[in-house]
Amino acid sequence: SQQGEEDPQALSIQEGENATMNCSYKTSINNLQWYRQNSGRGLVHLILIRSNEREKHSGRLRVTLDTSKKSSSLLITASRAADTASYFCATVTIIQGAQKLVFGQGTRLTINP
Amino acid sequence: DVKVTQSSRYLVKRTGEKVFLECVQDMDHENMFWYRQDPGLGLRLIYFSYDVKMKEKGDIPEGYSVSREKKERFSLILESASTNQTSMYLCASSLRLHRNEQFFGPGTRLTVL
Repeated sequence: SQQGEEDPQALSIQEGENATMNCSYKTSINNLQWYRQNSGRGLVHLILIRSNEREKHSGRLRVTLDTSKKSSSLLITASRAADTASYFCATVTIIQGAQKLVFGQGTRLTINP
Repeated sequence: DVKVTQSSRYLVKRTGEKVFLECVQDMDHENMFWYRQDPGLGLRLIYFSYDVKMKEKGDIPEGYSVSREKKERFSLILESASTNQTSMYLCASSLRLHRNEQFFGPGTRLTVL
């Protein structure tokens, strides 16, 4: 089955630097989403990019999508210690009128003060 | 704000017990989902429901069943709990197709002894 695969699995940077995480997938998608998860908590939706979009911004977040390469990237600019979390991409297809999300294993991001 | 609540944050059960995990959302969402999250495996979809009394198997339905008698409530049932069902269980809900983001509950960490 299709699956978003994040790269790298773990990333550690200094506060103020930019963090880039990548996601690759295998089959056609309706859209791709990025989620954040703080330790021991549920996931929080960050941003959604549709298959006909190439780039999207939300605050310090920038997401790109390249459907020809079946890949997406999440850029967090001017990172803060509070950005420390796991980040997941999820690819979406529509099956029988309902969306199905398939999550990758995530990138664990650590921002060092 | 959308709120998704789960009946327990932590639960400890014994092998063979019947376990009920409850999830309630307060935004009249059509779709509801149950995932489990395990280290190294990411989030995996167990079951989902796109309407009251409707349910669809996800990727790993074996050993689980679900119930959706009311729109706001989606229950996950472990008929006979086993140690390999020790995991973090996450419930999510979403609006219909024009709003695809999923809203997650805080999760239930289940330990089966």
